[in-house]
Amino acid sequence: DTEVTQTPKHLVMGMTNKKSLKCEQHMGHRAMYWYKQKAKKPPELMFVYSYEKLSINESVPSRFSPECPNSSLLNLHLHALQPEDSALYLCASSQGFGQSYEQYFGPGTRLTVT
Amino acid sequence: GQQLNQSPQSMFIQEGEDVSMNCTSSSIFNTWLWYKQDPGEGPVLLIALYKAGELTSNGRLTAQFGITRKDSFLNISASIPSDVGIYFCAGLYGPGGTSYGKLTFGQGTILTVHP
Repeated sequence: DTEVTQTPKHLVMGMTNKKSLKCEQHMGHRAMYWYKQKAKKPPELMFVYSYEKLSINESVPSRFSPECPNSSLLNLHLHALQPEDSALYLCASSQGFGQSYEQYFGPGTRLTVT
Repeated sequence: GQQLNQSPQSMFIQEGEDVSMNCTSSSIFNTWLWYKQDPGEGPVLLIALYKAGELTSNGRLTAQFGITRKDSFLNISASIPSDVGIYFCAGLYGPGGTSYGKLTFGQGTILTVHP
């Protein structure tokens, strides 16, 4: 099973709202990732968690706040977003040990900021 | 930083035709990955390549890790309508001593298959 789940599937929020995106995997993976993707472009890395610790922040604005409550869950808290933040937000996970680094993606959350 | 050049950018083919796309890099990668993405969905891993010169098949898909470690190609044989989508190559650099890998993506190949 290589399933990563994400909720919600779609989200519309105003610029003053606070919302959260959720990601879950039960593959025993110890590395989890958040990506942002614009239409017909490749995914752009935002954050990497390794063994529940933030390992990479790709200079993401503070209005995006990641959280990793445990090894299976990854959240992305959103506050005071801008319309240009509208995109598909993807979660991914990888094994995090051994020689296997391939990443498995979830279906994404389509975010629209109004 | 590392960049991947993926070509072609788009392809329009007839059902039953074979397809070939490739990625080249200015840097060496440890692993090459090929993903397919349908509209509104996340990328799905098709093939992972770990060794220079490795040739791997997955059904009608065949991919190779170039000898120089700076390139990879993906072939699709006998295309069908459900092959439509965007195909991304990704080079994976797993920094020594870490438990994660940073992907460098190509710009994608948009495939359209006419019945």
